[in-house]
Amino acid sequence: AQSVTQPDIHITVSEGASLELRCNYSYGATPYLFWYVQSPGQGLQLLLKYFSGDTLVQGIKGFEAEFKRSQSSFNLRKPSVHWSDAAEYFCAVVNNAGNMLTFGGGTRLMVKP
Amino acid sequence: NAGVTQTPKFQVLKTGQSMTLQCAQDMNHEYMSWYRQDPGMGLRLIHYSVGAGITDQGEVPNGYNVSRSTTEDFPLRLLSAAPSQTSVYFCASSRSGPGVSPLHFGNGTRLTVT
Repeated sequence: AQSVTQPDIHITVSEGASLELRCNYSYGATPYLFWYVQSPGQGLQLLLKYFSGDTLVQGIKGFEAEFKRSQSSFNLRKPSVHWSDAAEYFCAVVNNAGNMLTFGGGTRLMVKP
Repeated sequence: NAGVTQTPKFQVLKTGQSMTLQCAQDMNHEYMSWYRQDPGMGLRLIHYSVGAGITDQGEVPNGYNVSRSTTEDFPLRLLSAAPSQTSVYFCASSRSGPGVSPLHFGNGTRLTVT
């Protein structure tokens, strides 16, 4: 079965600094990978997804992620963080049939002014 | 356009009580699902449905029942509530499954079982 690990439970960055959130996956075949964001008191929203092709994918709100098969990683990055980016971020992988999404434990991002 | 609507927003139950969490979507999505969110564990899939009349178990189905009699509605039933079911519950839908189209989430139901 597939699994996702997000090693960092909490991360704090200063506004304007760069950001990288780590995600490692375990999956037997070529994975379909996702990043979702959850603002306080809300449901989740899709940031970006990787299916195949270019290993660097662009998402909404200025986020990007890079798929590295050799490291089983799909890290999320942003060059300059804004205070409104404070939220919880979830990495996820879907199964072969495409009907079950497995989430990591999440990383809570705090942004210092 | 309401999207995914969950009711109630908050609920407190006593151990052994039963209740139904409601979920409705107005986007004509075929796929619907229920997740529970617990601190440090991310979201875990309880049950899902790929269309009216079709349901299947997710990662943590024990203690929960679902049915899908219409495309729009996907209620989650707790048969006999236990403190371990204290959690935040999210309903999510997508046009044709999370592997193809993005999940749209409701705002959640916070359930406390005492």
